[in-house]
Amino acid sequence: NAGVTQTPKFRILKIGQSMTLQCTQDMNHNYMYWYRQDPGMGLKLIYYSVGAGITDKGEVPNGYNVSRSTTEDFPLRLELAAPSQTSVYFCASSQDFGGADTQYFGPGTRLTVL
Amino acid sequence: AQSVTQLDSQVPVFEEAPVELRCNYSSSVSVYLFWYVQYPNQGLQLLLKYLSGSTLVESINGFEAEFNKSQTSFHLRKPSVHISDTAEYFCAVKGEGFQKLVFGTGTRLLVSP
Repeated sequence: NAGVTQTPKFRILKIGQSMTLQCTQDMNHNYMYWYRQDPGMGLKLIYYSVGAGITDKGEVPNGYNVSRSTTEDFPLRLELAAPSQTSVYFCASSQDFGGADTQYFGPGTRLTVL
Repeated sequence: AQSVTQLDSQVPVFEEAPVELRCNYSSSVSVYLFWYVQYPNQGLQLLLKYLSGSTLVESINGFEAEFNKSQTSFHLRKPSVHISDTAEYFCAVKGEGFQKLVFGTGTRLLVSP
């Protein structure tokens, strides 16, 4: 199993540009998540999905959109990039949402908005 | 809602010395507690977790954490660290039921020779 994969690894955007961060998992997990990690701030949940076709906002959803058309894929869309979106983005997945189920993380995408 | 506090942003330690990384949480319901580790330029991976039962949980690489309900703490310890333990460590908490995982701000462990 490859686990959770993310592309690209790095990206530089200009203000106002758009892009999609890709996330794929091959563990047949129902639940998927997008987090952003800023220095000294830990991880903040952006969006999550409980299954194909179902998504919901996390703690910091403004400026982002998601979709979940398949169990495997959970892309994150930035429509109008802003410097405040400079961060490292992690996708994760888990089999369950309740309980103490482990979340499995991808390697991350480092995004810089100039 | 749950919250996690990791008071130490950075902990420098010499190789083979013991270390403790502190984690305190707050919650109005029963919780599950986790420690995740992030090695440089990698994603997070689970180190250990507390579900119920024995308050002392161990990882495969020598770390252990003890759940202390009265002090609402879940400190991570290792009796002798290696250079390869250099990483950022995140404590996380999740309430019972349909609750989201909440992360602390992380503690960077720096092990030097």
